[in-house]
Amino acid sequence: ETGVTQTPRHLVMGMTNKKSLKCEQHLGHNAMYWYKQSAKKPLELMFVYNFKEQTENNSVPSRFSPECPNSSHLFLHLHTLQPEDSALYLCASSQDLTGAYEQYFGPGTRLTVT
Amino acid sequence: GNSVTQMEGPVTLSEEAFLTINCTYTATGYPSLFWYVQYPGEGLQLLLKATKADDKGSNKGFEATYRKETTSFHLEKGSVQVSDSAVYFCALFPRGGNTGKLIFGQGTTLQVKP
Repeated sequence: ETGVTQTPRHLVMGMTNKKSLKCEQHLGHNAMYWYKQSAKKPLELMFVYNFKEQTENNSVPSRFSPECPNSSHLFLHLHTLQPEDSALYLCASSQDLTGAYEQYFGPGTRLTVT
Repeated sequence: GNSVTQMEGPVTLSEEAFLTINCTYTATGYPSLFWYVQYPGEGLQLLLKATKADDKGSNKGFEATYRKETTSFHLEKGSVQVSDSAVYFCALFPRGGNTGKLIFGQGTTLQVKP
């Protein structure tokens, strides 16, 4: 238990569906992250939030829409996804963005797009 | 630019064997270096880190030394156990960075057989 929870753990959706991934951290951190983990590829940073403000969008397609209502919660809204979007989506948090503090990861949501 | 290169996996060892997973990096200046581990079905967790040249990070019997001459941060363990089977990620955080962006290698899968 890292203090970062993600729901759901598994999700299967069609290309026309709309779904959302949820992340919650119980660590009092100020920064939150979404990563995409695909087989045989390095982790891809998607979005970074600091004090609820988005600070990084790593050229992510608009079919992925993040939302950070407060420093403890992070959502990833999904719509009209493609099969190549199937992956493990990891949420992480850290005290700040300086790298002086480690990032804590949730267990991930395994997404399958059919 | 910044990048991390890890040895290709999978690495398959017998229990009590010696482990080395190679990691080299490219970065401007002297970044902070990390090893993260991902056990099956879980997110990543920090294994060890080093923030300056010649520092040695250690945890759970694993060690890695920050070598600026060879720009390397190889992971070692003297005697592996079946429970060490996981994916290991080397990562760097650029010196003076404030974006929260960790740069990960592609990961190395370790399989330890009884």
